[in-house]
Amino acid sequence: GENVEQHPSTLSVQEGDSAVIKCTYSDSASNYFPWYKQELGKGPQLIIDIRSNVGEKKDQRIAVTLNKTAKHFSLHITETQPEDSAVYFCAATRNNNNDMRFGAGTRLTVKP
Amino acid sequence: DSGVTQTPKHLITATGQRVTLRCSPRSGDLSVYWYQQSLDQGLQFLIQYYNGEERAKGNILERFSAQQFPDLHSELNLSSLELGDSALYFCASSESPGPGETQYFGPGTRLLVL
Repeated sequence: GENVEQHPSTLSVQEGDSAVIKCTYSDSASNYFPWYKQELGKGPQLIIDIRSNVGEKKDQRIAVTLNKTAKHFSLHITETQPEDSAVYFCAATRNNNNDMRFGAGTRLTVKP
Repeated sequence: DSGVTQTPKHLITATGQRVTLRCSPRSGDLSVYWYQQSLDQGLQFLIQYYNGEERAKGNILERFSAQQFPDLHSELNLSSLELGDSALYFCASSESPGPGETQYFGPGTRLLVL
């Protein structure tokens, strides 16, 4: 089955700096890659997703890149703000399987 | 607020007991997913229902079962509870059965088994 690895497990940046979180997946048939943000005491919230027919997607300060050959995808947050502090999860799934596999999570801390 | 509601918010029970967790999907969503989040296993997919029918199964134990009712709300039943079942249980919903459908997560039920 699919195995998703996520790095780093913790990341601390200064407000205004960029943050990058990386994930690798094992199943070459995976074709949908969402990113979730989880704040303390809340459920995961989808922040951006990418499908395998696209190499990059941007939404304001957030971008995701996908390298299908290397089987890795990354989340980029620019101009970080303290409210970006949360745990971020990557996930992967494929077209014929609803078993979405999640990375272990990255705890991002943005220091003011 | 995702529009997905879960009750109860917290649940404390003893080993061997049985509990029921409830989820109401977003208005218009026909598919419901259940996930377990624990410190050692991370976020794991348990089971999915679409319009009342089981659609996909993940790492769900035989002691656990779920159903989706005609009004589309779903219940996750956990029986013969063990200490290791202590975790956050999330429900998510999507409009279509997917895969690749955007899933909206509820706030979760925190289960503590003593």
